[in-house]
Parts: sequence; C-alpha cells; structure tokens
Amino acid sequence: GESVGLHLPTLSVQEGDNSIINCAYSNSASDYFIWYKQESGKGPQFIIDIRSNMDKRQGQRVTVLLNKTVKHLSLQIAATQPGDSAVYFCAETLSRRALTFGSGTRLQVQP
Amino acid sequence: ETGVTQSPTHLIKTRGQQVTLRCSSQSGHNTVSWYQQALGQGPQFIFQYYREEENGRGNFPPRFSGLQFPNYSSELNVNALELDDSALYLCASSFDRVRGSGGAGANVLTFGAGSRLTVL
Repeated sequence: GESVGLHLPTLSVQEGDNSIINCAYSNSASDYFIWYKQESGKGPQFIIDIRSNMDKRQGQRVTVLLNKTVKHLSLQIAATQPGDSAVYFCAETLSRRALTFGSGTRLQVQP
Repeated sequence: ETGVTQSPTHLIKTRGQQVTLRCSSQSGHNTVSWYQQALGQGPQFIFQYYREEENGRGNFPPRFSGLQFPNYSSELNVNALELDDSALYLCASSFDRVRGSGGAGANVLTFGAGSRLTVL
C-alpha cells in the first residue's frame, strides 16, 4: 500500500490500551467537526462527528471531545486494536461546502 | 450500494502536460468534492460540484478545473502541470438537499481511494 504520511506525529500504543489523539483547529467560527481514519492506499473514512453545540459525543469504542474555548478536539479510542493502526485527521467546517483538515497523527498499535 | 470509485489509480505525467482524473459518486449522492493530498499532509479542498455547477472553490489556480455530469460523476482537469501538483487526488461524494447545505450526520462525505499523480 501507499504511505499516507511519512513524517507525521506518531502515537504508539499497546493493543488493548486506550488511545487519545489530539487536534487543534483553526477557525473559531467552525460549527461542525469530523474525525477521519486513513489507511495506506485508501481514502479517508468517517469515524465520528460533533457539532459545536456539543462538547462530547460517543460512538462505538470512540469518543470525541470538543473544547471551543481553546479550539481543541480529541479522539479517544477504547481498547485499541491492531486494525486501528492508521493516520487520523480531524476536519472542521463552517459552510459544509469544504472541509479543512488538520495535518494528521499516525497511530501505531503494538500487538 | 457502490462507493466512490476513481480512475486512474496511478499515473505519471511530465511538466506542462494536462491530466484528467475521473470520479463516480456513490449511488444516491448528488454532490462531488475534490481534494488534493500532498504526501504527509491532510487533504486540501479544491472545489465542489452540485448539480453540474461549481459550488465553492479552494485556493487553487484556474488551471484546476472540473466538470460534473448529469449522472453526478465528475472530472478534475489540471493543465500546465507543475512538479508541486504531484499528490493524491481524492474525490468525495455526498447528498445535499439544497445547494450548500452539506450532508448531515454520519455520511457527510464518502471518499474514494484517490488517484496518485506524479509529475516529473
């Protein structure tokens, strides 16, 4: 497969541990935020989203936290599995017409 | 239900040439967006098409142009290729009830696997 990012910040965790990936977004007016997972050779895949009127949203094994005061998003993955290894991007939008992506974090899960 | 498909998957061009990349949107989707992803970076918005009309554009020069067809498939054309155009080009489709409304909920954008363009 093709490498998505050669020089990205990397988070290395043990299988079964919880992972926390952080993201600082740029536009205080953004009102919708999304986390994407991108594996080598694939396009970004939706994980979870959150609107600006919320500060927490939970999915299956994933939780997104939004702190608008400091323009910070985090993605928490519970019981991390080898299949979670990928590059993770946060994205923000105001217009719904265009997403602005962050620079990404590589998650490596050690068996 | 088929997802977003892009072609070609890989191609090599030389500076000054022109390239056309193609995208078939997911069934039921009427909006197509194109993104450029340089190695090691997040995707950058190029433009979006809704019902065959451009519906927003990012910070890309006019030599980046596009089309959307009645079946909602789309093309991205890049003229006068430069070395910095080397990147993964991602197409994403979505369903918008009205122009610019954006999708809501889990399926706001469905991405294809991309076309990897190398400019020599």
